[in-house]
Amino acid sequence: AQSVTQLDSHVSVSEGTPVLLRCNYSSSYSPSLFWYVQHPNKGLQLLLKYTSAATLVKGINGFEAEFKKSETSFHLTKPSAHMSDAAEYFCVVSDLGTYKYNFGTGTRLKVLA
Amino acid sequence: GAGVSQSPRYKVAKRGQDVALRCDPISGHVSLFWYQQALGQGPEFLTYFQNEAQLDKSGLPSDRFFAERPEGSVSTLKIQRTQQEDSAVYLCASSPTGGSSTDTQYFGPGTRLTVL
Repeated sequence: AQSVTQLDSHVSVSEGTPVLLRCNYSSSYSPSLFWYVQHPNKGLQLLLKYTSAATLVKGINGFEAEFKKSETSFHLTKPSAHMSDAAEYFCVVSDLGTYKYNFGTGTRLKVLA
Repeated sequence: GAGVSQSPRYKVAKRGQDVALRCDPISGHVSLFWYQQALGQGPEFLTYFQNEAQLDKSGLPSDRFFAERPEGSVSTLKIQRTQQEDSAVYLCASSPTGGSSTDTQYFGPGTRLTVL
């Protein structure tokens, strides 16, 4: 069975400081992992994905994530937060051989001026 | 090009009414998914189409929920005799190939359904 735990429901950072959004996963097989961002009244947008290639994945808007199998983690980071990063972020897991996405409960990122 | 579109964006229904939610996927995309997102939660899988075939409907919460994709493009999610617990955002997603764990799913903006 596959599942995702997002460890923080809310994260607040000051503009210009680093962002860390934490995600742990459970997967029976070789997983694919994704991070999506959801701005108010907008569709979910893919930030980045891991599909068994390089463990450090770079995405759009300066975000990156590292797949750590030993820790079953896929944390999302960004060196310097921007006001426009304020949104809801979802970590997603999909097991090999399945098409289903399993979403975490989301982390709301607040960026303070 | 155009992304996934959904209509209506907002729908208010009285309890017991039937509703129909439409999804226009990205042109040429083989796979289409429906998700339900309750307030403060992550989206949850409802059903999956590959072209016109509904291959998985395991997430549909009751037999009041019905989805179709008759020509392998536009899809409609129908909810009969709506209940208050059906209030949620309904998301549609499409992907270019036939359903793989590595595929990126492209999401529409969702339809927010409120049942009074």
